[in-house]
Amino acid sequence: QVQLQESGPGLVKASEILSLTCGVSNYFINNGYYWGWIRQPPGKGLEWIGSISHGGSTYYNPSLQSRVTLSVDTSKNQIFLKMSSVTAADTAMYYCARDRTFDMWGQGTMVTVAS
Amino acid sequence: EIVMTQSPATLSVSPGERVTLSCRASQSVSTNLAWYQQKPGQAPRLLIYDVSTRATAIPARFSGSGSETEFSLTISSLQSEDFAVYYCQQHNNWPLTFGGGTKVEIK
Repeated sequence: QVQLQESGPGLVKASEILSLTCGVSNYFINNGYYWGWIRQPPGKGLEWIGSISHGGSTYYNPSLQSRVTLSVDTSKNQIFLKMSSVTAADTAMYYCARDRTFDMWGQGTMVTVAS
Repeated sequence: EIVMTQSPATLSVSPGERVTLSCRASQSVSTNLAWYQQKPGQAPRLLIYDVSTRATAIPARFSGSGSETEFSLTISSLQSEDFAVYYCQQHNNWPLTFGGGTKVEIK
């Protein structure tokens, strides 16, 4: 069973950089698929942040593109999200998920941006 | 960017009832449409992709239909575990986009 696990600081200061890691188990990222990040502010809907292929091709949400960078380390089987200049509006549950139809999800990690 | 619009925002239904949720795309997404279920405190779960293909272990009471810009998710007989929020998502074009969700609540 493929498993995804997000990790990172639960609290980030406003204007700083948010860095999250998604570890993948029981599947080698090199074998294919896009790997995405999705977030959900408290009480709100889902927002796609961006996706990256095993080869490093990236697609981003235009509304976040200027602040987001995705990367992948196939040797560690991990995907990374960096978001700069965070504000309170970036407070959300952050999920990583597999493929363009998100067939596997991590449990999510809650990130709070403190002013 | 393709905008996905779901209706209604909330549905109040009784167990055993048949339920149909709607999703509209601002432009054609062909048959590249997925549905997710999310329960409180949990990550979303893929129910259906490519309009009508059920994901692994999804019960047959869930079915999807539609094409181009109009889509629906039907639950043939609502079970207690089906009360949740449902999202549609197009996977035809980048950027990927979600609908705002429909909450199915107990009447």
